[in-house]
Amino acid sequence: AQRVTQPEKLLSVFKGAPVELKCNYSYSGSPELFWYVQYSRQRLQLLLRHISRESIKGFTADLNKGETSFHLKKPFAQEEDSAMYYCALRGAGNQFYFGTGTSLTVIP
Amino acid sequence: GAVVSQHPSRVICKSGTSVKIECRSLDFQATTMFWYRQFPKQSLMLMATSNEGSKATYEQGVEKDKFLINHASLTLSTLTVTSAHPEDSSFYICSARTDPNTGELFFGEGSRLTVL
Repeated sequence: AQRVTQPEKLLSVFKGAPVELKCNYSYSGSPELFWYVQYSRQRLQLLLRHISRESIKGFTADLNKGETSFHLKKPFAQEEDSAMYYCALRGAGNQFYFGTGTSLTVIP
Repeated sequence: GAVVSQHPSRVICKSGTSVKIECRSLDFQATTMFWYRQFPKQSLMLMATSNEGSKATYEQGVEKDKFLINHASLTLSTLTVTSAHPEDSSFYICSARTDPNTGELFFGEGSRLTVL
């Protein structure tokens, strides 16, 4: 069965410090992974997807199949990055399964 | 981006009554919509996949007769919580895709159900 694990519920970093939000997955097929973000009082929205190999708002994420991980990274955190981050896996039936989320707080 | 709208955003009902939540894709057609449930400080739990013109596909452990899903048109899916009980109180969120190949989900604003 598919599973997405985000081990950190809360994460606080200082502005300008590097940040890494961890995500591990369990899936028998070839995974397609995403990071979604929810800013305060806003709805969930896509941040980035692994197949695009893009950097959005300074964030990057690399799929590591050996470690079954898809950690989200940013070298220099900004205050506006404070939000709830969800790692998600797209299953074979096109359903999306979400991790429990990590609440990131960037301290000024 | 695409817009998904839910209504109502908040609803309070008495135990034993039924509540309907609507999910609309405003500027695109969605053959598939997804319904999620979110408990406080917890993740989104996929409840079911709503398919236009056919039966919804429910995730394991989700009661089909309890959570009725109807996807009668390409822009509207409804979730009806039947005979609601206090334990059904939760935040219900729907989402849809514009393009199945891109994989991006667009989310509604969510509907908070409180059952007294």
